[in-house]
Amino acid sequence: DADVTQTPRNRITKTGKRIMLECSQTKGHDRMYWYRQDPGLGLRLIYYSFDVKDINKGEISDGYSVSRQAQAKFSLSLESAIPNQTALYFCATSDSPTTLSTDTQYFGPGTRLTVL
Amino acid sequence: AQKITQTQPGMFVQEKEAVTLDCTYDTSDPSYGLFWYKQPSSGEMIFLIYQGSYDQQNATEGRYSLNFQKARKSANLVISASQLGDSAMYFCAMSPTRSARQLTFGSGTQLTVLP
Repeated sequence: DADVTQTPRNRITKTGKRIMLECSQTKGHDRMYWYRQDPGLGLRLIYYSFDVKDINKGEISDGYSVSRQAQAKFSLSLESAIPNQTALYFCATSDSPTTLSTDTQYFGPGTRLTVL
Repeated sequence: AQKITQTQPGMFVQEKEAVTLDCTYDTSDPSYGLFWYKQPSSGEMIFLIYQGSYDQQNATEGRYSLNFQKARKSANLVISASQLGDSAMYFCAMSPTRSARQLTFGSGTQLTVLP
């Protein structure tokens, strides 16, 4: 089984609809992240969470909200979807860095979201 | 603020040959990490290799090595003995060590391995 799972894998929705993307992980990591990828661009950070009570905005948080329901679960919501939120969305997880190891981020398979 | 630049939108390499994918970066942080990820056509992001800014030696992972030149602010990925399965988009990314560990990504290089 995959360490980081995302549901749904594909979603088509209409402008104005509320939609939730879910991420769960079995890696036991404290840190979780949401990114979006647009064609021809690298990934951009939407939100990140270093533990259940710690949630922070990333580079492009406007129009999005998140919920960290448990250490293993991190959800991304689009309250009122708009067409320019059409993108590939990735969840990632990482351990906390130590003097012996870095906090490499491991990604889920992605959710392809289309807003009509 | 951090910035990653990948100047090669597309690269071609013959199977079994080596290829270098370029990455330059800009940061004011004294301590940082550099990462390379592979994104096949199926879409997932696969971690390949990591280099810390204070690491004395260049990182290697199997056929992947990172040519780190700190003074030039470059972190090029070298893939030796290319295979057809190496055809993918490759992203360079960095994060500061001492603050929130947010990854900043470059725009990627599409590598095509020719038979």
